[in-house]
Amino acid sequence: NAGVTQTPKFQVLKTGQSMTLQCAQDMNHEYMSWYRQDPGMGLRLIHYSVGAGITDQGEVPNGYNVSRSTTEDFPLRLLSAAPSQTSVYFCASRRTTYEKLFFGSGTQLSVL
Amino acid sequence: DQQVKQNSPSLSVQEGRISILNCDYTNSMFDYFLWYKKYPAEGPTFLISISSIKDKNEDGRFTVFLNKSAKHLSLHIVPSQPGDSAVYFCAADGGYQKVTFGTGTKLQVIP
Repeated sequence: NAGVTQTPKFQVLKTGQSMTLQCAQDMNHEYMSWYRQDPGMGLRLIHYSVGAGITDQGEVPNGYNVSRSTTEDFPLRLLSAAPSQTSVYFCASRRTTYEKLFFGSGTQLSVL
Repeated sequence: DQQVKQNSPSLSVQEGRISILNCDYTNSMFDYFLWYKKYPAEGPTFLISISSIKDKNEDGRFTVFLNKSAKHLSLHIVPSQPGDSAVYFCAADGGYQKVTFGTGTKLQVIP
């Protein structure tokens, strides 16, 4: 049971490049989400999904796209990277409301 | 608008003593609260949670207290150990699938 798996662990991009951060979970969780962690800002919700085909915006959605075609996968897309998107990104999942979130190990992204 | 606040960015405690981490929230719709612990270069891991129908929940050395009228919760760690040194996040769940996190408190337990 791998839990929540994120790839890559590290990534360096140039301004304007695009990329996709991958997230997969093997716990059959309906709820998945993406957070970014910045110094002094805590964990801020980017986008979340309550099931395949259903996504919604969190606190800081601008510059990011998501889709959820399967229960297992929830990729985060940066269409045109900006230095302000330099951060550590965490994917999380849980079975349902009022249960704990399980986090992946994170992706450290630098945009130059 | 920070709905979940951890006003102490850092805390130092001697080994064996009590660590108290505090968290305040503004949204009265929050009714389930969680604490997470995070080591450097790792994802946050769940510690303990509490529902709004309770005012206290214990799990070993960790106890969470909830004061709904003050919109305040605290995490007590007794006794504190060097391995408890980490960043602690409180989080709040209003039942609409968004979990809101605080800014974190870095705990250092001094041997």
